[in-house]
Amino acid sequence: QKEVEQDPGPLSVPEGAIVSLNCTYSNSAFQYFMWYRQYSRKGPELLMYTYSSGNKEDGRFTAQVDKSSKYISLFIRDSQPSDSATYLCAMKNSNSGYALNFGKGTSLLVTP
Amino acid sequence: EAGVTQSPTHLIKTRGQQVTLRCSPISGHTSVYWYQQALGLGLQFLLWYDEGEERNRGNFPPRFSGRQFPNYSSELNVNALELEDSALYLCASRLGTSGSYNEQFFGPGTRLTVL
Repeated sequence: QKEVEQDPGPLSVPEGAIVSLNCTYSNSAFQYFMWYRQYSRKGPELLMYTYSSGNKEDGRFTAQVDKSSKYISLFIRDSQPSDSATYLCAMKNSNSGYALNFGKGTSLLVTP
Repeated sequence: EAGVTQSPTHLIKTRGQQVTLRCSPISGHTSVYWYQQALGLGLQFLLWYDEGEERNRGNFPPRFSGRQFPNYSSELNVNALELEDSALYLCASRLGTSGSYNEQFFGPGTRLTVL
């Protein structure tokens, strides 16, 4: 079993919809949780990171972490066609330079 | 400020050949990470270099190797290429290794096709 599981989709929603993206993990040592966005033929770019359980909001994006359930989510409000991309969850187990453990990514398409 | 740069952008090789990929980190970043993004597999960690030393490697065979130069740029070498090495190879840099969380910034990647 992979340490980080993420449904690859694809997920197609109409413009303006609320999008919910999710990952589960098995390693209880993971402490830092991140969401990256990757456009086609580009490298991933960091959207949000969280350390503790609970919610963190940044504009239209909300990251949610539930360490007791080993479950993280990214919500996108008022989705736009420009949000169409692959969303990758990532996590690591300390604040040192360890490598990130990524989910496979969820492909999102927001249609006008 | 310039981001992480990688070269070449695309590469086509045949089975058994060797390839070298290059990465220049963001100025001031001392840590460089290499990831492989193969179709259907997601990003998988390959190698981590910091201050010129290999700090950790992922679950890849020894034919994947690399190094980090005094200016913190890095090379990834892959020997005896196999078809399944076809992937996007991503380099990321980070500001040091200690202290609070520091983001990994990714380059655009090198797309390697092995025929």
